[in-house]
Amino acid sequence: AQKVTQAQTEISVVEKEDVTLDCVYETRDTTYYLFWYKQPPSGELVFLIRRNSFDEQNEISGRYSWNFQKSTSSFNFTITASQVVDSAVYFCALSGSSNTGKLIFGQGTTLQVKP
Amino acid sequence: NAGVTQTPKFRVLKTGQSMTLLCAQDMNHEYMYWYRQDPGMGLRLIHYSVGEGTTAKGEVPDGYNVSRLKKQNFLLGLESAAPSQTSVYFCASSYGQAANTIYFGEGSWLTVV
Repeated sequence: AQKVTQAQTEISVVEKEDVTLDCVYETRDTTYYLFWYKQPPSGELVFLIRRNSFDEQNEISGRYSWNFQKSTSSFNFTITASQVVDSAVYFCALSGSSNTGKLIFGQGTTLQVKP
Repeated sequence: NAGVTQTPKFRVLKTGQSMTLLCAQDMNHEYMYWYRQDPGMGLRLIHYSVGEGTTAKGEVPDGYNVSRLKKQNFLLGLESAAPSQTSVYFCASSYGQAANTIYFGEGSWLTVV
């Protein structure tokens, strides 16, 4: 079975703090894909990143960075110098090679960035 | 540059009524999906389609039916709405399997009273 766990239900930080959102996954597939989506208060889902299981390089995009570790089945997301506009629900998701593209979502982490 | 479009955006139904949510994509994607989002549970797959004329059950299919008569459209039907179907519904599409980015619609807020 495939599963994604985001143990942090809610996180509250003050602007300019760094924050890391945790994501742990389970899959038996050797080839799989991991995603992060952002859902701002307006409700739409915004794609942030996709990584495949063969690429363990960390990735940085502006204030965002992702740490993928197969050894611990984790794909954590860090926001550096958080801003109020980062306030949103963040979802980690998994798609296995046998999934016909279906996404398995974690429960989501609500991030509140206070001014 | 429409992408994935869902209609309606908001709807209030009475228990027992029926309705259809329409999803349309203009990216010529083969795969289409319907998810529902409930508080604290993330998004869960209801039904999906891997091509025109095909449909398959997802994680939570009970109470819903779907049809994919045209490649660009994926309809989600509620034959007899129940309060447990109060949720936010998201349609999504992708070109192929897991390797490709999945594009989501903006969501449809459904309340069953």
